[in-house]
Amino acid sequence: DTEVTQTPKHLVMGMTNKKSLKCEQHMGHRAMYWYKQKAKKPPELMFVYSYEKLSINESVPSRFSPECPNSSLLNLHLHALQPEDSALYLCASSQSWGLGGYTFGSGTRLTVV
Amino acid sequence: DAKTTQPNSMESNEEEPVHLPCNHSTISGTDYIHWYRQLPSQGPEYVIHGLTSNVNNRMASLAIAEDRKSSTLILHRATLRDAAVYYCILRDVGSGNTGKLIFGQGTTLQVKP
Repeated sequence: DTEVTQTPKHLVMGMTNKKSLKCEQHMGHRAMYWYKQKAKKPPELMFVYSYEKLSINESVPSRFSPECPNSSLLNLHLHALQPEDSALYLCASSQSWGLGGYTFGSGTRLTVV
Repeated sequence: DAKTTQPNSMESNEEEPVHLPCNHSTISGTDYIHWYRQLPSQGPEYVIHGLTSNVNNRMASLAIAEDRKSSTLILHRATLRDAAVYYCILRDVGSGNTGKLIFGQGTTLQVKP
């Protein structure tokens, strides 16, 4: 298995909702990442997990809450989002932090209404 | 994070080679040069990476200048499926550094039939 799987592919949520994005990989990678991508812009790094511990938070607002329950799973919990948070959310993994190439998922297209 | 400079866009004809340039004049000794591409409606895809020597894989070749201040991604025979945004990224894996993958604006490659 050489893929990163993200679910759901599309999500529409209200500003008072709570939802979660899920990311899964079975490549034995020990580093996992969340990126946010607005239309026609490059991906922006949000969080880095290394060996299931949060290593980097790029000053992301607390309405985004990451979680890494085990080495194969990465979640992004969403609460009280704003319309400007609408974007493509990408998950990626790599063998370890700092080495090798990243494998990206296809992303979750999030719309906040 | 060391920066890269790429042309905003390039055009190529199908079945011809494509040379995508990248300038990184402030590169440090521990910066790896990574290339990713992003096809429409997909997550970024790892293409190739290198440190000092030229690198080849099944997707492309990476030519690195002797002073490492520039590099060129070479697609040997462009196809319509190669139309994408190509990102050249410096990734610092030196001691104490995070090895973050930070995307710049990239080059949008159009391939004409």
